[in-house]
Amino acid sequence: SQQGEEDPQALSIQEGENATMNCSYKTSINNLQWYRQNSGRGLVHLILIRSNEREKHSGRLRVTLDTSKKSSSLLITASRAADTASYFCATAPTSGSARQLTFGSGTQLTVLP
Amino acid sequence: NAGVTQTPKFQVLKTGQSMTLQCAQDMNHEYMSWYRQDPGMGLRLIHYSVGAGITDQGEVPNGYNVSRSTTEDFPLRLLSAAPSQTSVYFCATQQAGGAGVVHGYTFGSGTRLTVV
Repeated sequence: SQQGEEDPQALSIQEGENATMNCSYKTSINNLQWYRQNSGRGLVHLILIRSNEREKHSGRLRVTLDTSKKSSSLLITASRAADTASYFCATAPTSGSARQLTFGSGTQLTVLP
Repeated sequence: NAGVTQTPKFQVLKTGQSMTLQCAQDMNHEYMSWYRQDPGMGLRLIHYSVGAGITDQGEVPNGYNVSRSTTEDFPLRLLSAAPSQTSVYFCATQQAGGAGVVHGYTFGSGTRLTVV
């Protein structure tokens, strides 16, 4: 069963625009992480936000977390063609093994030059 | 420092054949895991290990075996391949945290398996 669900499934924007992707999840979490996957490659860790944090920044990335709504968003500012990839949210549970991640089905982002 | 190395990158099997997907890491990460990625379904956890000699099942363990005799290696064995096991397989590791520190996963580049 999937914990995280990303929205939209696909997003196409022009270079320089901002891209926003959303993730909803079902159960309580210890932390939420975002990953990027370029076509035919493995996933790359982007950013981690803990359940007691509301916002986090890393370069052009901004992540927010609303535990009351069980949702998170990833904002990529001033997008570039190189940002074209699939983006996945992943959640770590509060119970059981907090090291196990459950991944959503991803958002395919296309940045047009 | 190679990170996480998966071999082979591509494999075609006939139904009923067995094979082992290799995963090796040189980062001394204690946590290792196997995921499969199918179109539209994200990644699903097959098996994981929190250290040498310790393994446990994930969400979709049927048809797969694992062992962890060393920190570096975590092979995934397909016992009798079925077309439903056609997928891309990823090995992922995680560095041990401490004092509330949590690290993200490091992924290998994947093995694309086709079962005919």
